[in-house]
Amino acid sequence: GAVVSQHPSWVICKSGTSVKIECRSLDFQATTMFWYRQFPKQSLMLMATSNEGSKATYEQGVEKDKFLINHASLTLSTLTVTSAHPEDSSFYICSARDAWELGETQYFGPGTRLLVL
Amino acid sequence: QKEVEQNSGPLSVPEGAIASLNCTYSDRGSQSFFWYRQYSGKSPELIMFIYSNGDKEDGRFTAQLNKASQYVSLLIRDSQPSDSATYLCAVLPGYGQNFVFGPGTRLSVLP
Repeated sequence: GAVVSQHPSWVICKSGTSVKIECRSLDFQATTMFWYRQFPKQSLMLMATSNEGSKATYEQGVEKDKFLINHASLTLSTLTVTSAHPEDSSFYICSARDAWELGETQYFGPGTRLLVL
Repeated sequence: QKEVEQNSGPLSVPEGAIASLNCTYSDRGSQSFFWYRQYSGKSPELIMFIYSNGDKEDGRFTAQLNKASQYVSLLIRDSQPSDSATYLCAVLPGYGQNFVFGPGTRLSVLP
């Protein structure tokens, strides 16, 4: 149980294009999903918290107009990197919290590796 | 500023030994504590969580929590080369709040 999927697993795009990443909880409902970014050999960095049916809460320094987050259902959140640039190249990982689990454990997706040329 | 600290390592142990990973946190009111394992190039995977003071065992893994001293540790018995990874400590300061992650400890189990 508690499986989270992400799609695509990796993407290469040209500078200036937009990229959408999907995060799905496959066997549980997630009222809250989280988006992280991780650069090589660095720690996870929380970008935003996504709550189903409401606007995402962004961490300080994360541009909400550049990283658009939509959490339209209890099993799906999307992150769109708009007008991507080479500095946006990173490993993007989502996690989901089971709505019915008291412990607030976060289950991570496999991640999406983005390379912007 | 809520902080979680871990030794970055690398921590090297021989195969079959006990690996001990430590984590300290600054927020005394923190509620829940999680250990994740992250292999190079992969996303974190949950090992176990602990809420109450004392020990919690799951297979070869034992989590230990001491709220008075504000530390949580993870012991890995009979360490295997496949245990070589970065171990992340995550602390939940309170209900409905976000995790605070430590920087991770890199463990290397030598055959």
